[in-house]
Amino acid sequence: DAGITQSPRHKVTETGTPVTLRCHQTENHRYMYWYRQDPGHGLRLIHYSYGVKDTDKGEVSDGYSVSRSKTEDFLLTLESATSSQTSVYFCAIKGAALANYGYTFGSGTRLTVV
Amino acid sequence: TQLLEQSPQFLSIQEGENLTVYCNSSSVFSSLQWYRQEPGEGPVLLVTVVTGGEVKKLKRLTFQFGDARKDSSLHITAAQPGDTGLYLCAGDHQAGTALIFGKGTTLSVSS
Repeated sequence: DAGITQSPRHKVTETGTPVTLRCHQTENHRYMYWYRQDPGHGLRLIHYSYGVKDTDKGEVSDGYSVSRSKTEDFLLTLESATSSQTSVYFCAIKGAALANYGYTFGSGTRLTVV
Repeated sequence: TQLLEQSPQFLSIQEGENLTVYCNSSSVFSSLQWYRQEPGEGPVLLVTVVTGGEVKKLKRLTFQFGDARKDSSLHITAAQPGDTGLYLCAGDHQAGTALIFGKGTTLSVSS
């Protein structure tokens, strides 16, 4: 299985502070994604990357930015955290054709904004 | 926003029963995937279907992609407590685009 790790696993932060979540992969996959999961909404795409320094917005990108300076790392930054950004954040990588392009997800980061 | 509608949202059954989960859209998908998620973990891929009418089996789980590639179903035969979890369908409208996820079906199987 592809190696993908997210850090931190849990974080509590105050409203108005910047927060950065990290996603690290060991498989050299090109595509990486950030989703948030909320009750009643399922998984919604925040941003994704299709290569180093190549990123694009998803459905719920307002208030978030991303960076990908290396293939293995994809960072998600909440520029000024708000209570509406309390959520569970998942990073995913897209597998190869042999794996039917299935996504492998990290274990998630539970973020609470107080 | 193209939507994937999953039904039912919740399902609570006894061990040994059969069940079907549905995933529907008004749009055509290039491929459709099913994932299972357990509490505190990320979703795990179960299967990918790409051809209209395709049927795939994974032990007691049977997945079907509709002929028009707009819908899919997951059928579980003789459910077991270990099947308990959140089942998610996800699709992409064309190769290279990000997956769109349904809201999921929470399955609880009691012994």
